[in-house]
Amino acid sequence: GAVVSQHPSRVICKSGTSVKIECRSLDFQATTMFWYRQFPKQSLMLMATSNEGSKATYEQGVEKDKFLINHASLTLSTLTVTSAHPEDSSFYICSANGQTNEQFFGPGTRLTVL
Amino acid sequence: KQEVTQIPAALSVPEGENLVLNCSFTDSAIYNLQWFRQDPGKGLTSLLLIQSSQREQTSGRLNASLDKSSGRSTLYIAASQPGDSATYLCAGTNDYKLSFGAGTTVTVRA
Repeated sequence: GAVVSQHPSRVICKSGTSVKIECRSLDFQATTMFWYRQFPKQSLMLMATSNEGSKATYEQGVEKDKFLINHASLTLSTLTVTSAHPEDSSFYICSANGQTNEQFFGPGTRLTVL
Repeated sequence: KQEVTQIPAALSVPEGENLVLNCSFTDSAIYNLQWFRQDPGKGLTSLLLIQSSQREQTSGRLNASLDKSSGRSTLYIAASQPGDSATYLCAGTNDYKLSFGAGTTVTVRA
């Protein structure tokens, strides 16, 4: 149980295009999901907290117009990187809160912007 | 803001040796503490979750302790195996948010 999936696992796009990443809780409902990014050999940095049915809460320094988050249902949150640039290339990971507030993580999405 | 530190940053041991990974945090009002494993290019696998009211959790060869008063958690891995080679991350929860340490990269030599 408590499986979180992400799609796609890997995406390569041209500079200036937008990329959507999906995060799904497969066997449980998650009112709260989190989006992180991870640079090579560094730890995870929380970008935003995604709440079902309401606006996401962004961490300081994260541009909300750049990273659009939608949490349309109890099992799906999406992160859209708008007008992506090479500096947005990173590993993006989502997580979902379980019943005991334990967080379960997706397998991550490797974004490369050319 | 919760600050989490992990020492050492890297560790190399021969197979069979016990592993001790340290994690320290600044805010003792921690809700829970999780230990994760991350393989290169992969997501995180949750290993152990310690609630704030608990002092330790065990799963197989893994044991994690939590001492809120001193702001420390320790992950013990008994009889290490090459398959244990990975980066281990600890993270503390405050206000439903996880704050991660930078991780300890473990290499178990066969």
